Amino acid sequence: AQSVTQLDSQVPVFEEAPVELRCNYSSSVSVYLFWYVQYPNQGLQLLLKYLSGSTLVKGINGFEAEFNKSQTSFHLRKPSVHISDTAEYFCAVSDQRYSTLTFGKGTMLLVSP
Amino acid sequence: GAVVSQHPSWVICKSGTSVKIECRSLDFQATTMFWYRQFPKQSLMLMATSNEGSKATYEQGVEKDKFLINHASLTLSTLTVTSAHPEDSSFYICSARDLTQYFGPGTRLTVL
Repeated sequence: AQSVTQLDSQVPVFEEAPVELRCNYSSSVSVYLFWYVQYPNQGLQLLLKYLSGSTLVKGINGFEAEFNKSQTSFHLRKPSVHISDTAEYFCAVSDQRYSTLTFGKGTMLLVSP
Repeated sequence: GAVVSQHPSWVICKSGTSVKIECRSLDFQATTMFWYRQFPKQSLMLMATSNEGSKATYEQGVEKDKFLINHASLTLSTLTVTSAHPEDSSFYICSARDLTQYFGPGTRLTVL
């Protein structure tokens, strides 16, 4: 069984500041890791994914994440956020064999001017 | 990236009626599609996994007779909420998979 923990339900930050959204996972097998963003009343948009290879993954909108196997983490970072980054962010893990996504509870990123 | 559409984007219906939601993969073939339900300010809850040409696999606690899923082709899956009641009001999101899951924009169902 897999699980995903997003430690922060809300992260308030000022515009142009850096941000890190934390994600930890547990799994007994190798995993694929994903970050999705959801704007109000919309579906989920894939930000980035880790399947294999380099542990530093770059995604859209200037986001990046680093897979740390020893710490079972996949934290999402952006060096300078914009007001438009205000949204809900979901971390998800997938078992390679079954490909069902298990989601964290989400982190609301609130960017203020 | 791959595009997944949902129709309708929102629907309001009377209690006791049935509502059909369509999920289409527009530029790739998806042997597997997923249906999720999302309550306000909460994460996505997987309802069922839909495989083309076979019966859907429902998650524990999801009534298969209430939430009918049909995956008739490699680009279309439908979710029918039968005899809808106000507690079925929610945001329903589908996804289609090649290696990655791509999500539709969601359908907001309100049952009066």
